[in-house]
Amino acid sequence: IVMTQSPLSLPVTPGEAASISCRSSQSLLHSNGYNYLDWYVQKPGQSPQLLISLVSNRASGVPDRFTGSGSGTDFTLTISRVEAEDVGLYYCMQGLQTPITFGQGTRLEIK
Amino acid sequence: QVQPVQSGAEAKRPGSSVKVSCKVSEDTFNNYALTWVRQAPGQGLEWMGRIIPTLGLAVSAEELKGRVTITADKSTTTVYMELSSLGSGDTAIYYCARSSDAYYNWLDPWGQGTLVIVSS
Repeated sequence: IVMTQSPLSLPVTPGEAASISCRSSQSLLHSNGYNYLDWYVQKPGQSPQLLISLVSNRASGVPDRFTGSGSGTDFTLTISRVEAEDVGLYYCMQGLQTPITFGQGTRLEIK
Repeated sequence: QVQPVQSGAEAKRPGSSVKVSCKVSEDTFNNYALTWVRQAPGQGLEWMGRIIPTLGLAVSAEELKGRVTITADKSTTTVYMELSSLGSGDTAIYYCARSSDAYYNWLDPWGQGTLVIVSS
């Protein structure tokens, strides 16, 4: 399954909203009703960390400024009010079938 | 949650093998899967495979053409990833991450990463 993110670069003014799109080449909807789409962020110099699992479930400690949505093949990560600490590379990942695949990554930077 | 602890950086010659370790808690070892992901310099994330330690059941990426072996040691609650026939394209940071054992998603938390450099 090919994962395609856009944009690849996202300059944002602090306090403004930002959105990242992720599209899959096949539906990520499992027969159990869940879409197996996660979001990860890799902050500078750090390991990746889970942001959101199963489209919209925020990981522990993730602020509610981060929202995931979508279904099937089209997904979106929205940050309602970007802060300086949000700088990093954002990846979507499909966990429906092997090989697990990631999007190319979207680099969020502060203007 | 306790972060997996990985072994230190390695420098290897082309054609050799590398074995990276990932030590986890007993709870993680007994109740989750461990997934391996690598990141070449300036590149994105590449899934390599995963193992359910209690079952010893491993699956790996076909793209690695049988060069990767993922194993688990219950006595030390450590998971290993061995990559053979190394080439320059295998230079990367290798990460292990706790993951769902029922499906393939939910990688959390990730280890600190192990840098492997392949050079003659």
